[in-house]
Amino acid sequence: DQQVKQNSPSLSVQEGRISILNCDYTNSMFDYFLWYKKYPAEGPTFLISISSIKDKNEDGRFTVFLNKSAKHLSLHIVPSQPGDSAVYFCAASFFYSGNTPLVFGKGTRLSVIA
Amino acid sequence: DSGVTQTPKHLITATGQRVTLRCSPRSGDLSVYWYQQSLDQGLQFLIQYYNGEERAKGNILERFSAQQFPDLHSELNLSSLELGDSALYFCASSPFRRDGQETQYFGPGTRLLVL
Repeated sequence: DQQVKQNSPSLSVQEGRISILNCDYTNSMFDYFLWYKKYPAEGPTFLISISSIKDKNEDGRFTVFLNKSAKHLSLHIVPSQPGDSAVYFCAASFFYSGNTPLVFGKGTRLSVIA
Repeated sequence: DSGVTQTPKHLITATGQRVTLRCSPRSGDLSVYWYQQSLDQGLQFLIQYYNGEERAKGNILERFSAQQFPDLHSELNLSSLELGDSALYFCASSPFRRDGQETQYFGPGTRLLVL
């Protein structure tokens, strides 16, 4: 039973264009969402997050959009660069009794083609 | 560099053996989380410690155990190892936030291969 789903295992985008990575979740209790980027042989690197009280958060080339009614979030990367090629994980958490483990999707492999 | 360190980076061992993975959190972070990433799987939460106490358990096998020491470093002990335990094991740490919206920072991982 996957609570966080990334339905596209891979995505290819040309350099300079927009990359859009999607994520769906089923648990309406989730109130904090994060995106991580992972290169081979490295740990996940935090990119950007969004609280459930917001519908958009921007940080440089990265923007995360949250649609609570659809239980959907997306990560936009503009413009895409070859160095963005990595696996991107969506994660979600909710706060209960002081515990906040993350629930991860299976990831989307982004390839940015020069 | 996230500030989270993990040792060793690679570990090769045989079935039935026991290994210990070590994690040092970022300075000031009281929470430590352990995750497992198997082939074709996302990261699966194993266990969380906060300031030395176990806080939450996920999909952790009974053969696995963990602890967090007074200096806040943590160890994950894996015993009676099976071939299926071969995976990447990540440690993450986070600062405390009253609203629970904590960003976790990950270490580089330990790649375990059980032969």
